Amino acid sequence: DIQMTQSASSLSASVGDRVTITCQASRDIGDYFNWYQQKPGKAPKLLIRDASNLEAGVPSRFTGSGFGTDFTLTISSLQPEDIATYYCQQYGDVPFTFGQGTKLEIK
Amino acid sequence: EVQLVQSGPEVKKPGAPVKISCKVSGYTFTDSQLHWVQQAPGEGPEWMGLIDPEDGQIVYAEKFLGRVTITADTTTDTAYMEVIRLTFDDTAVYYCATSSGGSRGFFDYWGQGTLVTVSS
Repeated sequence: DIQMTQSASSLSASVGDRVTITCQASRDIGDYFNWYQQKPGKAPKLLIRDASNLEAGVPSRFTGSGFGTDFTLTISSLQPEDIATYYCQQYGDVPFTFGQGTKLEIK
Repeated sequence: EVQLVQSGPEVKKPGAPVKISCKVSGYTFTDSQLHWVQQAPGEGPEWMGLIDPEDGQIVYAEKFLGRVTITADTTTDTAYMEVIRLTFDDTAVYYCATSSGGSRGFFDYWGQGTLVTVSS
């Protein structure tokens, strides 16, 4: 199985900060990679597909980058509504696998 | 509007089975693979498997092979996921999810989740 490792299990930042969340795949997955946002009691929400394609309706302050094994989600200016847990996910091979999550908190 | 509506919460005893449904609407059921995802309390999501309603192809994650059965009824646009021999570790929210990209592995549509509690 491809292991997805998010570098931080939690992050604390202030409103307006630039925030970066990283995820590493255990082997090359090209751009078969997605980012999700999950708020308590809700299903995950797709933010970015195929490493860098922003989903319709997602604010432009979210950007995704990376290819192969190393990927990054950047929030250019953190807003209070961005408080959530963020998961990466690969679909380069079955079983599709998720990272363990990065919980984003306001400082 | 694409909707995935799941069946309600379940409380089961260890060793019992549970079967969850996921009724879809707003798109052609056979156009996209339907996935199931488990999320245990405080944990990240874990992909369980998928079914292609068009040809019946099913793929399971090895962890769930033998205890999980995924089916689809194209007459009612409903997918099902059954887990047998439940243990306390199966306590989780189970989601169905699908992709607007057909067989692509991004999940832009999700059900509301079904909480399964295994308790003696």
